Amino acid sequence: NAGVTQTPKFQVLKTGQSMTLQCAQDMNHNSMYWYRQDPGMGLRLIYYSASEGTTDKGEVPNGYNVSRLNKREFSLRLESAAPSQTSVYFCASSESPFGRISGDEQYFGPGTRLTVT
Amino acid sequence: EDKVVQSPLSLVVHEGDTVTLNCSYEVTNFRSLLWYKQEKKAPTFLFMLTSSGIEKKSGRLSSILDKKELFSILNITATQTGDSAVYLCALSGGGADGLTFGKGTHLIIQP
Repeated sequence: NAGVTQTPKFQVLKTGQSMTLQCAQDMNHNSMYWYRQDPGMGLRLIYYSASEGTTDKGEVPNGYNVSRLNKREFSLRLESAAPSQTSVYFCASSESPFGRISGDEQYFGPGTRLTVT
Repeated sequence: EDKVVQSPLSLVVHEGDTVTLNCSYEVTNFRSLLWYKQEKKAPTFLFMLTSSGIEKKSGRLSSILDKKELFSILNITATQTGDSAVYLCALSGGGADGLTFGKGTHLIIQP
């Protein structure tokens, strides 16, 4: 049981390049999330997927797109990277925010450290 | 807009001390408050609180929620160097739109 996995662990991009961050969970969770973490800013939600087949914008969605490929996988794409997207990206999953309150608990992947030069 | 404010932002204590970390919040629809510990990598879950006055405890860590005054505290007794981490407080507002995090308290335990 690996929990939440993310690839890659590290990435360096040049301004304007594109890339996709991959995330998968093996806990049969319904909801998945992408956050970014910057010094002094805490964790901020980029996009989320409440259930398979649905995605919605979070607090800071500009410059990103997402795909909920199936129940297990949720990818984050940067179409044209900018230095402002230099950050650590975390994927998370939870059972469901709509059912039992215990389903609110989110489990995080190990993160991807992205640098855009 | 939901808001979470943690204090202090950083704290340095000696091994064996007891620390109290604070989290105050503003939220439209409260569902739960969560505490996470973040060392080098991913945040790891500590506690989820939903009711006022009921203490959650795990070893030397404990937490309590006050829904009237809109705050929570995380206590760590007999601190050890392994407790050094960033402690994050987060709110669940009852929707699918993720958690709202505070900026965290960076705790350093000196030997």
